[in-house]
Amino acid sequence: QVQLQESGPGVVKPSETLSLTCSVSGSSVNSGSYHWSWIRQPPGKGLEWIGYIFYSGSTKYNSFLQSRVTISIDTSKNQFSLNLNSVTAADTAVYYCVMGGMATRSFDSWGQGTLVTVSS
Amino acid sequence: DIQMTQSPASLSASVGDRVTITCQASQSISRFLNWYQQKAGQAPTLLIYSASSLERGVPSRFSGSGSGTDFTLTITSLQREDFATYYCQQGFSTPHTFGPGTKLEIK
Repeated sequence: QVQLQESGPGVVKPSETLSLTCSVSGSSVNSGSYHWSWIRQPPGKGLEWIGYIFYSGSTKYNSFLQSRVTISIDTSKNQFSLNLNSVTAADTAVYYCVMGGMATRSFDSWGQGTLVTVSS
Repeated sequence: DIQMTQSPASLSASVGDRVTITCQASQSISRFLNWYQQKAGQAPTLLIYSASSLERGVPSRFSGSGSGTDFTLTITSLQREDFATYYCQQGFSTPHTFGPGTKLEIK
């Protein structure tokens, strides 16, 4: 069974960089069958896809964050990471790391999520 | 970007009822439509992929249908554990977008 676990600071100051890591067990980030996404959910709101990365290291980002976001992958640690710079209060959200199916283009397995609050 | 809409935004129903949630895409997405359930305080879970395929372990009272721009999620014989928020998501093109959600509440 695949498990994903987010880790990183729960509070980030405005204008600084939000950095999260997702540790994957039960599957390999080196698999060509899956993509590895970050999705966020502001408090009381809906789901926003941030972007994903493939085993090759190629990425696709949502344009509304594209200039501020970087997703990277570390196959040696079976992890992938999110960096979001120049954060504001609008970036306060629960951040989920997610394994998705390449063929179905669905988000199959989710981490439990981590709340990141942007506050001074 | 492809916009996803859902109706209704909220729905009250009783245990044992049959409910239908609809999802509409702003352009044709073929059958690249997925449904998720999110319970309060939890991560979403995949229910239906490719419009009508039941994810492993999901009860058969859940079903999906549709293609192109119009899709439905049907739950027959509601159980207490089904009261949650449901989201549709298109996988046809990036950015992968979600509907705003339908909150299913106990009447």
